[in-house]
Amino acid sequence: DAKTTQPTSMDCAEGRAANLPCNHSTISGNEYVYWYRQIHSQGPQYIIHGLKNNETNEMASLIITEDRKSSTLILPHATLRDTAVYYCIVKTGSTLGRLYFGRGTQLTVWP
Amino acid sequence: GAVVSQHPSRVICKSGTSVKIECRSLDFQATTMFWYRQFPKQSLMLMATSNEGSKATYEQGVEKDKFLINHASLTLSTLTVTSAHPEDSSFYICSARALTGTYNEQFFGPGTRLTVL
Repeated sequence: DAKTTQPTSMDCAEGRAANLPCNHSTISGNEYVYWYRQIHSQGPQYIIHGLKNNETNEMASLIITEDRKSSTLILPHATLRDTAVYYCIVKTGSTLGRLYFGRGTQLTVWP
Repeated sequence: GAVVSQHPSRVICKSGTSVKIECRSLDFQATTMFWYRQFPKQSLMLMATSNEGSKATYEQGVEKDKFLINHASLTLSTLTVTSAHPEDSSFYICSARALTGTYNEQFFGPGTRLTVL
């Protein structure tokens, strides 16, 4: 069951930062926030995840609010290839955790 | 990152036939593999979870006798759609979770497009 709320769609200009919000107000203490994206007709791609601290990797940054009820995925310099559906998912870190996908946000990067 | 492959990438079959889809983790051992289905313009729906050497756990509403899952090794899982019908036409995606690693990320295959005529 999806436990997150995301906007249906967003636009971003190429070269600008894309900030994708996600609400997860019912997140439990042992649940992580994961972000995946799916380019059309491909399998989802892992982006980043975090528990309560902000995280950064070569793809993106993840900002989690102090109360952990929401987060923002930041693509610092969006390119046309970043056009995809972005999924925010909460999941426990245990081996029993499963990824249940919601509807995600369709990000369109335009030139 | 870790690589998951699927075969075939695309299959067209006649109604009533069975179709087998393979999912392989190419450069890591997967304790757990997952099978998803995605209809056009919809999100991914988890169908089942399988652990190597044991029976798969199916999500509510997914018929285990229709979607047979075999997880014979730490690098291979298969999904067989038995007696396929046009309503089974969909994008089937597998995912594998690594045996080792701190964070248990799941890596996804490229998907298999099934069309049942």
